[in-house]
Amino acid sequence: AQSVAQPEDQVNVAEGNPLTVKCTYSVSGNPYLFWYVQYPNRGLQFLLKYITGDNLVKGSYGFEAEFNKSQTSFHLKKPSALVSDSALYFCAVRAPLTDSWGKLQFGAGTQVVVTP
Amino acid sequence: ETGVTQSPTHLIKTRGQQVTLRCSSQSGHNTVSWYQQALGQGPQFIFQYYREEENGRGNFPPRFSGLQFPNYSSELNVNALELDDSALYLCASSSDRENTEAFFGQGTRLTVV
Repeated sequence: AQSVAQPEDQVNVAEGNPLTVKCTYSVSGNPYLFWYVQYPNRGLQFLLKYITGDNLVKGSYGFEAEFNKSQTSFHLKKPSALVSDSALYFCAVRAPLTDSWGKLQFGAGTQVVVTP
Repeated sequence: ETGVTQSPTHLIKTRGQQVTLRCSSQSGHNTVSWYQQALGQGPQFIFQYYREEENGRGNFPPRFSGLQFPNYSSELNVNALELDDSALYLCASSSDRENTEAFFGQGTRLTVV
């Protein structure tokens, strides 16, 4: 069965500093990996995805993520955080198509707090 | 905005009642998935519909059921509501059943009292 772990409940960073949100996954076969962001009382906004190709994926709002197959990780990064990046971030994995087709398995989420 | 709209945005129901939540997919999308997000948790997959047929289901009891219509809009029905059904219900649409890119609506906040 597939699973996703986000080891940090909360990440605190000062504005202008680099931001990293960690994610590790477990799935058989080649995964599809996603990052979503959720603002209070809102749905999920798509940030980026990895399906195949270059291990460094660039997404929306200056975010990027690096796929590391040997470490089964897909950490989200931003070189310089903004106060407006404060939100709840979710990593998700989609298993190979033999398992419930497009089912996304989400991590528990990491709250990012960026202070001025 | 993702183009995926859900209604209503908020809802309060009594235990034992039935509820219907609605989702309008993004134009051109033929796949819709429903997720339950309890407070402080990540979204949990309920089921997925592709071209009006269910093609995947998570660990939810049969009292959670759904429909997808010819225009690819969708409904989530929950019978015999329980207090633990209180959650944010999210609908996601995609142009393919593999969900290579799923777009989420703003959710329906259901409170069961």
